[in-house]
Order: sequence, then structure tokens, then C-alpha cells
Amino acid sequence: GAGVSQSPSNKVTEKGKDVELRCDPISGHTALYWYRQSLGQGLEFLIYFQGNSAPDKSGLPSDRFSAERTGGSVSTLTIQRTQQEDSAVYLCASSFIRLDTQYFGPGTRLTVL
Amino acid sequence: QKEVEQDPGPLSVPEGAIVSLNCTYSNSAFQYFMWYRQYSRKGPELLMYTYSSGNKEDGRFTAQVDKSSKYISLFIRDSQPSDSATYLCAMSGSSNTGKLIFGQGTTLQVKP
Repeated sequence: GAGVSQSPSNKVTEKGKDVELRCDPISGHTALYWYRQSLGQGLEFLIYFQGNSAPDKSGLPSDRFSAERTGGSVSTLTIQRTQQEDSAVYLCASSFIRLDTQYFGPGTRLTVL
Repeated sequence: QKEVEQDPGPLSVPEGAIVSLNCTYSNSAFQYFMWYRQYSRKGPELLMYTYSSGNKEDGRFTAQVDKSSKYISLFIRDSQPSDSATYLCAMSGSSNTGKLIFGQGTTLQVKP
């Protein structure tokens, strides 16, 4: 079956602009995660969604970052007033249930000029 | 200090060599241990998944977890050029969300 998909694959924006990154998880997966991978860094947890429960936002680096998951499926990560330090690869992962194997999408490479 | 430490390398070996990759961690609450492989400009893909301490083998890959030492390893036997990638260790169990805590990743190059 289809894996996790993300769009766009690449995004170049100017400092101060808002961006939206999209994630389509594997069908039937109830848990969805966003991670960020900066140059020379490992993956950093951002936010977690599980069904209709309140999301775990503990990894979001600032209030410029927000995310939502509509209908328990597609998720959108929004970064407002982008800064150069936001440049990174943003990866989405989904799993059937929490603590289960996480399957990653190909990521969105964000460059803030 | 990071919760999970991993030597970023790079590590270069000849084809056929045995490769040893390692991570140390500080949080004794971790119970689930994973190794992911990431090719350039791709998402990570799961290689090995281990619960608690012990060994797990899958083909040319062996994962070891020593919780008493807070140390995990991945061994690759008969390494191939196609194994050239970044290897990321990841752990979970310290929260009820299942979020993964990753090491920095080790870049491996297997030379023909």
C-alpha cells in the first residue's frame, strides 16, 4: 500500500513569510508525528497526534509553529513569520497506534532566505 | 548533555567488512530501541526494532541492547556499497506518546 506522503518536497521562502507543510499518513494509522532534521542534527520531535485526543505539542520550538490534523488523517504544519533558523527538513511519520513502528515520509526541505 | 549520544562519523569501511555502530543514552525509562537507515534526501526507514535488553538478528543485521550500560549497537556483516547511508538510533518509552528520541546519526560509506 501507499506510504506516508508529504508535500511539497522542497519549499524556498523569504524570511517573514508563512509556510504550510502537508502530511498524508498511511491509511488506518491513528498516530501521527512531526519531526525536524536540521543540518548536522538528529531528528527532533515537534508534535504528536493520536485520534481525537489533545495533541502533544511539547516539542514545538516557538509559538510561530502550529499544526492541525483534520478528520484524523491529513496533517498540516504551519510556520508563521519564518526565520532562517527554521531551515531544515520536516519529516512526518505515522504508526498504527502509539508505541508502534513509525513509518516516515520523504520529508519537506524548507529553505528560508 | 543530549539524551542520546551517537558518533556522527563519517565511518568508511571496505566492502565485506563488519560494521559496528553504537549509541549511548542517559534516560533509564527508555524501553524501545530502534535503528533507522536514511539515504540521502530520503526519509528514515526502520531496520531493527528491539524491546528491552537482548539481541535481535535479521539477515546481515544484528541489534544489541544493554540496558544496564545504557548502550545499544548495530552490527552489519558482509557490508555492501548499498549499505552506504546514515544510520540513526532512536528510543522511546519515556513518555506515553511514543515520540522517538534520536541520536545524531552515523554516516557510513562502504567502498567497493
